[in-house]
Amino acid sequence: GIQVEQSPPDLILQEGANSTLRCNFSDSVNNLQWFHQNPWGQLINLFYIPSGTKQNGRLSATTVATERYSLLYISSSQTTDSGVYFCAAPGGFKTIFGAGTRLFVKA
Amino acid sequence: DAGVTQSPTHLIKTRGQQVTLRCSPKSGHDTVSWYQQALGQGPQFIFQYYEEEERQRGNFPDRFSGHQFPNYSSELNVNALLLGDSALYLCASSQGQAGSPLHFGNGTRLTVT
Repeated sequence: GIQVEQSPPDLILQEGANSTLRCNFSDSVNNLQWFHQNPWGQLINLFYIPSGTKQNGRLSATTVATERYSLLYISSSQTTDSGVYFCAAPGGFKTIFGAGTRLFVKA
Repeated sequence: DAGVTQSPTHLIKTRGQQVTLRCSPKSGHDTVSWYQQALGQGPQFIFQYYEEEERQRGNFPDRFSGHQFPNYSSELNVNALLLGDSALYLCASSQGQAGSPLHFGNGTRLTVT
């Protein structure tokens, strides 16, 4: 089945810094989602991005489907950005999650 | 427009007991998937229900079973609970096509003692 790998596993930023999170997937996909899991466990949809680039405020995402990777950009990070960021891709009817990038933003 | 709702939010059970978790999908969604998330790991797919049938199943034992009702809501049942079943259980709803985006509820945190 499809494999989803994320890097880096952990990231510590000073408030205001920018960062790039990467997601590699092993097979072609027709869907790629990015989620943010806050410290209370809520999984929040960030992007549904099978290809191309999307932006939402300080966050943007790019998926290059032909090269099987997606990037999540966080600009001017804030302490509320802390948590775990997951990318997920479909394998049949199930969706496979990467292991996540744990982000901590220091004030 | 209500999102995905799960109940209960927290649950404590004893080893060997049985538990039922509930999920109501987002309006307009007909498909429900269940995930188990152990501490420090990504969500792991348990199974998906569509048209009241289990459509795909992950690598979980038969102690994990489910049901989908005509109103698209769903239940997850776990029998003979083990300590290792302690986890956050997440329900996601979507439309029926493979690859449709998932929308998650806030989860049920199950502790088995």
